[in-house]
Amino acid sequence: SQQGEEDPQALSIQEGENATMNCSYKTSINNLQWYRQNSGRGLVHLILIRSNEREKHSGRLRVTLDTSKKSSSLLITASRAADTASYFCATDARGGGADGLTFGKGTHLIIQP
Amino acid sequence: KAGVTQTPRYLIKTRGQQVTLSCSPISGHRSVSWYQQTPGQGLQFLFEYFSETQRNKGNFPGRFSGRQFSNSRSEMNVSTLELGDSALYLCASSFSSASSYNEQFFGPGTRLTVL
Repeated sequence: SQQGEEDPQALSIQEGENATMNCSYKTSINNLQWYRQNSGRGLVHLILIRSNEREKHSGRLRVTLDTSKKSSSLLITASRAADTASYFCATDARGGGADGLTFGKGTHLIIQP
Repeated sequence: KAGVTQTPRYLIKTRGQQVTLSCSPISGHRSVSWYQQTPGQGLQFLFEYFSETQRNKGNFPGRFSGRQFSNSRSEMNVSTLELGDSALYLCASSFSSASSYNEQFFGPGTRLTVL
């Protein structure tokens, strides 16, 4: 079963706007990771946030983690056409009843030029 | 540094046949994980190998198996193929520790079609 669930399932915004995607999960985790997938570059790791961290930045990406609510958000600022892709959260709950990284079904982001 | 490579990139098989997929991890990575991606179920974890040993296994039937060689290269095998096995099979390597999954580096995948 899917541990992480992304919201919304699809998002369309204008280039230059910010995009926010949310992820909810069910069990305690070691870390939560965000990945991007597009047809050109496959599945690429974006950022990893550990369970004892609350916020992390990487370039135009900002990730937050709220373990009390079992949720995370990914913010992409100043979006570009190249950001068009599917974004997945993946939870590492090893030792907590889940094996492997558990991926959500993703948010499909479309950046309109 | 070369990325994760997977061969073949595309496969067409018929029901009942078996298939072997290959994955070469990034040099120095000892953990190799396999995932199945379908439109309906999304990305699902198959298994992870570390130092030639299966360390974790997902919820897939025994028809799905794998192994890892001493050079960390990995293969997965699916026997008695079913139509529902049609999917993109992704391999990922990492410096994964025993207690948590670190950043996963994914290969381009093998697209398997079962007719």
